[in-house]
Amino acid sequence: QVQLVESGGGLVKPGGSLRLSCAASGFTFSDHYMSWIRQAPGKGLEWLSYISSSGSSIFYADSMKGRITISRDNSKNSLFLQMNSLRAEDTAVYYCAKDRDVFDIWGQGTTVTVSS
Amino acid sequence: EIVMTQSPATLSVSPGERATLSCRASQSVSTNLAWYQQKPGQAPRLLIYGTSTRATGIPARFSGSGSGTEFTLTINSLQSEDFALYYCQQYNNWPPWTFGHGTKVEIK
Repeated sequence: QVQLVESGGGLVKPGGSLRLSCAASGFTFSDHYMSWIRQAPGKGLEWLSYISSSGSSIFYADSMKGRITISRDNSKNSLFLQMNSLRAEDTAVYYCAKDRDVFDIWGQGTTVTVSS
Repeated sequence: EIVMTQSPATLSVSPGERATLSCRASQSVSTNLAWYQQKPGQAPRLLIYGTSTRATGIPARFSGSGSGTEFTLTINSLQSEDFALYYCQQYNNWPPWTFGHGTKVEIK
């Protein structure tokens, strides 16, 4: 079945970095846009980044622009999010989601905690 | 950036009754609006897109309506599994794609 599985979250100190991964299965990954969305504890959903199917088009939310880099490896059906200069307010569950406008499939999320 | 405002923040409904959730956009999003359901500890699940088209596997008791800046999600005959958080999201003007802050549907 169609599935997204995130990994790479954890506890990191302020100013640190993490690289999140999202493994896709059950659909032709290379045909689809992909996105990252996060949810801070007890808060709503915040779109972070989008990448086109080929990787040629990328957008970032202003809240993290300059600190995150989205990428994909279509040969490995994988999506990535490199996060640098992390702050306490970046503590959240990070989801990868299939497609762009309508997020029809979500992963289970990976938790990032930024704390000293 | 289009701001999505959902009301009420919390809706108390008895099982079997109807729930009506509202979502307002700060400017027109045409019918490019989606609704998601989220249960505690779970990822969001797509319910409706294009304002009124149910996603695969979504029961007919969920319906959406509206256009422009005013939208409604109606859940008829609430079942126990429907008590959850609901988010609206616009995809008319992007980036960014923006979500409302959510409406919690709780048991009355």
